[in-house]
Amino acid sequence: NAGVTQTPKFRILKIGQSMTLQCTQDMNHNYMYWYRQDPGMGLKLIYYSVGAGITDKGEVPNGYNVSRSTTEDFPLRLELAAPSQTSVYFCASSYSRQAPGEQYFGPGTRLTVT
Amino acid sequence: KQEVTQIPAALSVPEGENLVLNCSFTDSAIYNLQWFRQDPGKGLTSLLLIQSSQREQTSGRLNASLDKSSGRSTLYIAASQPGDSATYLCAPRQDSGAGSYQLTFGKGTKLSVIP
Repeated sequence: NAGVTQTPKFRILKIGQSMTLQCTQDMNHNYMYWYRQDPGMGLKLIYYSVGAGITDKGEVPNGYNVSRSTTEDFPLRLELAAPSQTSVYFCASSYSRQAPGEQYFGPGTRLTVT
Repeated sequence: KQEVTQIPAALSVPEGENLVLNCSFTDSAIYNLQWFRQDPGKGLTSLLLIQSSQREQTSGRLNASLDKSSGRSTLYIAASQPGDSATYLCAPRQDSGAGSYQLTFGKGTKLSVIP
């Protein structure tokens, strides 16, 4: 059971570089999410998607972009990396129809920007 | 804006003890509430999902209660074991508009179970 997978596990970026964090789920979930977790803080929602072709901003979207061309994939793009984007990034998915379902998380990507 | 508070921030108990973790939230208009555990350097594992119409939900040694009107949930762990050591996160879910259901996370309670 793969569930939600994320790549890479770790990455070090220099200021101004760009990268894409990959997220894939194999549960046919319609909803997908990106969160960041800073030390000692709760998870903050960056972007989410309610289905292929539909994305929307969460609480902390600045500096990030997303796309959802398929049900399975939800990549997160950092265009000009800044030290403030040093964090652990989690992707999650859920199945929601009449009622919102349980959310499942990937193992995370630890990103350092120096 | 929903705010979630988890008390205590850290808890250390001897093995075998029963314990309660507390979660409070400011906006009671929630669909459901999810409890997670997070091991160091790992992702979140879902423990229990309790619907707004439910009062309790049980899974093995875990029991979650929900008092939606007062904005409180508790996670009861029976007969604690060293393997229960982790950070426990509470997250109520709300409709943030246009049919999007979003979780708001607390900072968690870090539990240490001493053998």
